[in-house]
Amino acid sequence: AQSVTQLDSQVPVFEEAPVELRCNYSSSVSVYLFWYVQYPNQGLQLLLKYLSGSTLVKGINGFEAEFNKSQTSFHLRKPSVHISDTAEYFCAVSEGMSASKIIFGSGTRLSIRP
Amino acid sequence: DAGVTQSPTHLIKTRGQQVTLRCSPKSGHDTVSWYQQALGQGPQFIFQYYEEEERQRGNFPDRFSGHQFPNYSSELNVNALLLGDSALYLCASRSRRQVQGPLHFGNGTRLTVT
Repeated sequence: AQSVTQLDSQVPVFEEAPVELRCNYSSSVSVYLFWYVQYPNQGLQLLLKYLSGSTLVKGINGFEAEFNKSQTSFHLRKPSVHISDTAEYFCAVSEGMSASKIIFGSGTRLSIRP
Repeated sequence: DAGVTQSPTHLIKTRGQQVTLRCSPKSGHDTVSWYQQALGQGPQFIFQYYEEEERQRGNFPDRFSGHQFPNYSSELNVNALLLGDSALYLCASRSRRQVQGPLHFGNGTRLTVT
């Protein structure tokens, strides 16, 4: 069975500082990996996805993530955060891009301090 | 181009009652999935519909049922509501023709059961 673990429930950082949100997954088959962002009172928006190819994936809003198969990790990074990045971030996995069943982690709340 | 729209945005029901939530997929999308997001948790997959039939189902009881109409819109029905059904219910859509297309989420319906 697939599962996703987000190691930090909350990450506070200062504005313009770098940030890394950690994600580990488990699966017995090849997976596709995603990071979604959820702003207050809104649905989820796709930040980036890994399907195959280069292990470094660039997404929207300056975020990037690196797929590490040996460590079964897909950590999200941004070199310099802004107040507007304050949101909940979800790591997710699916067994196929065409599948609508996505398994989400429990989320990491990113709070930016001025 | 309208995205995924859900109605109502908020709903308050009493334990034991029944509720119907509605979703219109993004234009051009034919597949609809429903997710339940409890407070402080990641979304959990309820089920997926395409071609007016339930295709995949998560670990939810039969009290949760759905329907997809010929215009691809969808309803989620929950019978015999329990306090634990209080959550944000998210609808997501995609196109089966776009194999690598991402899920698009609506802003959700916040259900409170008292």
